[in-house]
Amino acid sequence: DIQMTQSPSSLSASVGDRVTINCRASQGIRSYLAWYQQKPGKAPELLVYAASTLHSGVPSRFSGSGSGTNFTLAVSSLQPEDVATYYCQSYDGAPPTFGRGTKVEIK
Amino acid sequence: QVQLVQSGAEVKNPGASVKVSCKTSGYNFRSYGISWVRQAPGQGLEWLGWLNTYNGNPNYAQKFQGRVTMITDTSTGTAFMELRSLTSDDTAVYYCARGTCFGGNCYFVYDYWGQGTQVTVSS
Repeated sequence: DIQMTQSPSSLSASVGDRVTINCRASQGIRSYLAWYQQKPGKAPELLVYAASTLHSGVPSRFSGSGSGTNFTLAVSSLQPEDVATYYCQSYDGAPPTFGRGTKVEIK
Repeated sequence: QVQLVQSGAEVKNPGASVKVSCKTSGYNFRSYGISWVRQAPGQGLEWLGWLNTYNGNPNYAQKFQGRVTMITDTSTGTAFMELRSLTSDDTAVYYCARGTCFGGNCYFVYDYWGQGTQVTVSS
């Protein structure tokens, strides 16, 4: 199975800051990478798929980049409603696998 | 609008089985596969398997082979997941999720999720 490694595991930033989360795959997954946001007590929500395609309705301050083994989710200007845990997910075949998550808090 | 509504919380003894339902609405049930994903307390997301809702064929994660069964009732647009021989390690929130399609293909990318079903295994 493909292992997904996220970093950092948590971060704290101020409102308006630019925030980046990294995700590395144990082998090349082309652009078969999705990002999800999960708020406490809620189901995950899709943010990005195909590494850089923003899902419908997702604010434009979110962006994804990368291909192969290294990927990044960026938030250009952190907002209070962005407090959540973010997961990357490989979907290059079965089983799809998730990273361990990055918890984002407001400083 | 697309909705996935799951059955309620369950408490089971070790060794028992649990069956969780996921009733869908707002789209053509047979056009999108359904996956099941779980999340243990304070942990990340773990994929249990996927069900082809068009022909009923499942694809289970190796870890759960022999212990999980996924089926559908196409007449009601409902998917079911049964997990047997439960242990305390199976205590988790179980989600159903719809696989999305784009560019003419369908993928294990999940655009709609159920609200989650808490399964607690305890004696």
